[in-house]
Formats: sequence, C-alpha cells, structure tokens
Amino acid sequence: GQNIDQPTEMTATEGAIVQINCTYQTSGFNGLFWYQQHAGEAPTFLSYNVLDGLEEKGRFSSFLSRSKGYSYLLLKELQMKDSASYLCAVKDSNYQLIWGAGTKLIIKP
Amino acid sequence: DADVTQTPRNRITKTGKRIMLECSQTKGHDRMYWYRQDPGLGLRLIYYSFDVKDINKGEISDGYSVSRQAQAKFSLSLESAIPNQTALYFCATSDGTSETYEQYFGPGTRLTVT
Repeated sequence: GQNIDQPTEMTATEGAIVQINCTYQTSGFNGLFWYQQHAGEAPTFLSYNVLDGLEEKGRFSSFLSRSKGYSYLLLKELQMKDSASYLCAVKDSNYQLIWGAGTKLIIKP
Repeated sequence: DADVTQTPRNRITKTGKRIMLECSQTKGHDRMYWYRQDPGLGLRLIYYSFDVKDINKGEISDGYSVSRQAQAKFSLSLESAIPNQTALYFCATSDGTSETYEQYFGPGTRLTVT
C-alpha cells in the first residue's frame, strides 16, 4: 500500500528553527511537495523536490533522500504567521499526489 | 480575482438530498481534481479529469459523481447525501505540460450533512 507519515503536531517558539519530517512508501516516486495550509483555508505550494538534496527558498528549505524515502521541511526564524498545517505529498508512478495527514505547527511567543 | 473558485463555500443539507458543488478556474489548466479533507486523514482524491473527455475515479469515488462541462468547469455531485460525507471539499487544478504538475487549490466548500 501507499503510506506517508508525518508527526501530527509540533510546537516551536517564535524566532526559532523547526524541522518537520516526512517518510513515505509509495508505488513509484516522481517528486515530493510541501504545502502550507492555514486552518479552514486552501493548501498553498511551498516547495518541490525531485532530486536528492536541499532546496532553499527564503526562510523555508526542503530536503529529500529518495533512497531513504525521507524528506524534511525546515522553517527558520519562525513567525507567528507560520502557525499552520504542513502537508507532505508524493507524486507516484501514475503522477497522482498521495497526501500525508499533515503536521499542525503551533508557534508560541 | 481568484484563479480557482468554488461554490457554494458552505452548505448544510439533509440526508438523502442530491447536492452539487461547482468549481471554475481561469488558469487555463487542463487537469482538475476533487478532494475531500477530514480531520486527521489528509486529502483524499475523489475524482480527477485530465481533459473534458477524460474522467477518472480516485481513491474514494463511491457515492459521488462528476461532470466536466468545459475545460474550466468541473462539478462534483453527491447523489444521495449521507452524514459521513460531511467534510471540507477542495477542487484543484494542474498544468499537464508543466514540469512539476503542481496543484492549485480553490478555497474549499464546507459541507454538512444532517
């Protein structure tokens, strides 16, 4: 079967750094996405990895290891507005997105 | 103006009623999707369409049907609504010619079936 695992909830402090992990077992792999979703709103695209390594985009970075079936999203200089759920999604062999349940990130002052 | 719109944004209906959720997009994308989101379960694919004549079932299509009226419009119907179809429904689009197939989401429809 297909499975994507993320922690259900994480808490971090404003100004700090947090790493959200994602592990996956899917039928094929054609890329991995991270999306941000504020409560009650639509998911919005954050990052995309298809090759191993780190992709940096401002305060957010995403890492992929295809051999380990592992990715992480790194958020630096946390701001209160970063309080949201972070969704990991893998594009499988049929180019469909398989979604994790999401990690709810709580930022405390 | 939003690129992907959904109507209605909120709907309360009774068990057994037929209901239609509509999605329109101005992004010019060929691919459209319907998902439902339940707490703790993530997004689950109901139906997807790669063009007007191509409709495919997703992971959880039972109890749902769709219509792709035009490239820009994709509707989801619940033939006879039941309470466990209470959820947040999202429409999404993607460009089949893009490198990533990144999906763009509408604002969602919150459906409650009583």
